[in-house]
Amino acid sequence: KQEVTQIPAALSVPEGENLVLNCSFTDSAIYNLQWFRQDPGKGLTSLLLIQSSQREQTSGRLNASLDKSSGRSTLYIAASQPGDSATYLCAVMGNNNDMRFGAGTRLTVKP
Amino acid sequence: GAGVSQSPRYKVAKRGQDVALRCDPISGHVSLFWYQQALGQGPEFLTYFQNEAQLDKSGLPSDRFFAERPEGSVSTLKIQRTQQEDSAVYLCASGPQLAQLTNTEAFFGQGTRLTVV
Repeated sequence: KQEVTQIPAALSVPEGENLVLNCSFTDSAIYNLQWFRQDPGKGLTSLLLIQSSQREQTSGRLNASLDKSSGRSTLYIAASQPGDSATYLCAVMGNNNDMRFGAGTRLTVKP
Repeated sequence: GAGVSQSPRYKVAKRGQDVALRCDPISGHVSLFWYQQALGQGPEFLTYFQNEAQLDKSGLPSDRFFAERPEGSVSTLKIQRTQQEDSAVYLCASGPQLAQLTNTEAFFGQGTRLTVV
């Protein structure tokens, strides 16, 4: 069974800092990996999707990397803003169409 | 509709009561997933449908949990004889084809928060 781990569980940074969120997974036979954002009481917003053949994806201040062989992904957020405060979830899609999530990193960006 | 719709948004059930949670996926979407999210945790996979076929139900925690999608569109997650540990947010997601969950918020519903008292 695929296990997805996210570190750290919580992170608090001052506004303007660059930060990295980490995700690791145990089974490298994946279809894709997605990073989601979840605000309290809301559903999930997909931020970036990396196909298994890709190494990274970028969207605005966000950059996600994937090292499938080592079972790792990182989400880099540049010049953080208070509006970035949310829980960030990493999800791995297996070849059997099952998507497994990590427990998330709760990010707080202080003004 | 514009996105995945789940109802009810909130449900309070007495222990032992049966509940039914509804998911209306985006029209035409083939894939449909159910997840359970406990407080402070990531979503846990429950089950997956491709059209009306339930291809994977390995995540259903017990035989009290049952999901169906009889016409390949609307899906219902039923929990019988609810227990306090069933309290969680139940999320539904849909995709246009196999596992193709693309970059739009609309693909996940806002969830149903179930509280068992």
